[in-house]
Amino acid sequence: DGGITQSPKYLFRKEGQNVTLSCEQNLNHDAMYWYRQDPGQGLRLIYYSQIVNDFQKGDIAEGYSVSREKKESFPLTVTSAQKNPTAFYLCASSIGLTGVRAGELFFGEGSRLTVL
Amino acid sequence: SQQGEEDPQALSIQEGENATMNCSYKTSINNLQWYRQNSGRGLVHLILIRSNEREKHSGRLRVTLDTSKKSSSLLITASRAADTASYFCATASRGTDKLIFGTGTRLQVFP
Repeated sequence: DGGITQSPKYLFRKEGQNVTLSCEQNLNHDAMYWYRQDPGQGLRLIYYSQIVNDFQKGDIAEGYSVSREKKESFPLTVTSAQKNPTAFYLCASSIGLTGVRAGELFFGEGSRLTVL
Repeated sequence: SQQGEEDPQALSIQEGENATMNCSYKTSINNLQWYRQNSGRGLVHLILIRSNEREKHSGRLRVTLDTSKKSSSLLITASRAADTASYFCATASRGTDKLIFGTGTRLQVFP
């Protein structure tokens, strides 16, 4: 089945540690996105990538890093510089450069990160 | 930054009643989309309305768009307990490929 797979679903981290969240899609979409969701604040855009080997900062990129070496994969690293990393992280993809203008985002099931 | 603001923040209704949620936004848009999220899950796309459209239907869903007021509404008719979820509007602003989400409306439908 085509879709987006995020892993792990739950992750616990000690302060000062970097963690990497995986996002893989087999929809053949060019564009991929990472959002952060906190209670009562909706979704905020961290990073997005419209094409392989290219990505742009979203509204809250500080303390995060990404890579886009393959079309199918867009991992997110939460670094120790992120002051408040406990949140629900959502990965999404869309058809391409015109994906947002033309249509919808497809979301994974999310990864819940808790910093102990 | 949040582009859309949903109203109300929370809504509780009985099965069979209609549910109306509103979304206001700030900038000119290419399209506006509505998504649904069950607790602890990813978002699912419901419907997209383009800036040159005023109304759109999909099953029990009806979406309206008023670009002069920069607002949209989502109507769910004959609601069911399974409609219990959070609903988000998202806007694709002109000149950008970013989709910006609002803060959501939590809908609870009681059997």
